Amino acid sequence: TQLLEQSPQFLSIQEGENLTVYCNSSSVFSSLQWYRQEPGEGPVLLVTVVTGGEVKKLKRLTFQFGDARKDSSLHITAAQPGDTGLYLCAGGSGGSNYKLTFGKGTLLTVNP
Amino acid sequence: DAGVIQSPRHEVTEMGQEVTLRCKPISGHDYLFWYRQTMMRGLELLIYFNNNVPIDDSGMPEDRFSAKMPNASFSTLKIQPSEPRDSAVYFCASNFALGRVGGYTFGSGTRLTVV
Repeated sequence: TQLLEQSPQFLSIQEGENLTVYCNSSSVFSSLQWYRQEPGEGPVLLVTVVTGGEVKKLKRLTFQFGDARKDSSLHITAAQPGDTGLYLCAGGSGGSNYKLTFGKGTLLTVNP
Repeated sequence: DAGVIQSPRHEVTEMGQEVTLRCKPISGHDYLFWYRQTMMRGLELLIYFNNNVPIDDSGMPEDRFSAKMPNASFSTLKIQPSEPRDSAVYFCASNFALGRVGGYTFGSGTRLTVV
């Protein structure tokens, strides 16, 4: 069974601060996705990374896939209250039996 | 597109009753997934379909759970009989891309409470 460990589990910061959350596994994934989930809603896809060492930027969010494709990080610059939510990483197993394995998430609260 | 549509949004039922959750995927998406989310276990994959055919149901907790996809635009997840430990948020998601680049589109979920 492939497991994804996310850290920290909870993070509370002030508006304007920077933060990094992590997603780690002992397994290799063919792709890694990040989602954000707001209360009462389903997760929404933010980004997909597929190449080891890949870095993608989405405005103030920077996503990196580890060289060995076992880990990933999400860095937010100058966090805003609108960034509040549950951040989930998900690893893709690829192949003909494609499915995603989700971590339990990091619950981020950005205080104004 | 209206996105993935789930119904009902909330369901409260008594232990032992049958519960049916419904999902309409995005038109053209050929993969459909049912997930369950709890605080303790996070998002767990229950079952997924490709072109209406169940591919992997290894996540279905036990025989009380069953899922069907009679056509490309509709799927159901049924629990019979329901138990309090089934209380969770159930999500349906759909995807059109096989392999590593496809992202899931999730519905808003059904919050199930079994009392």
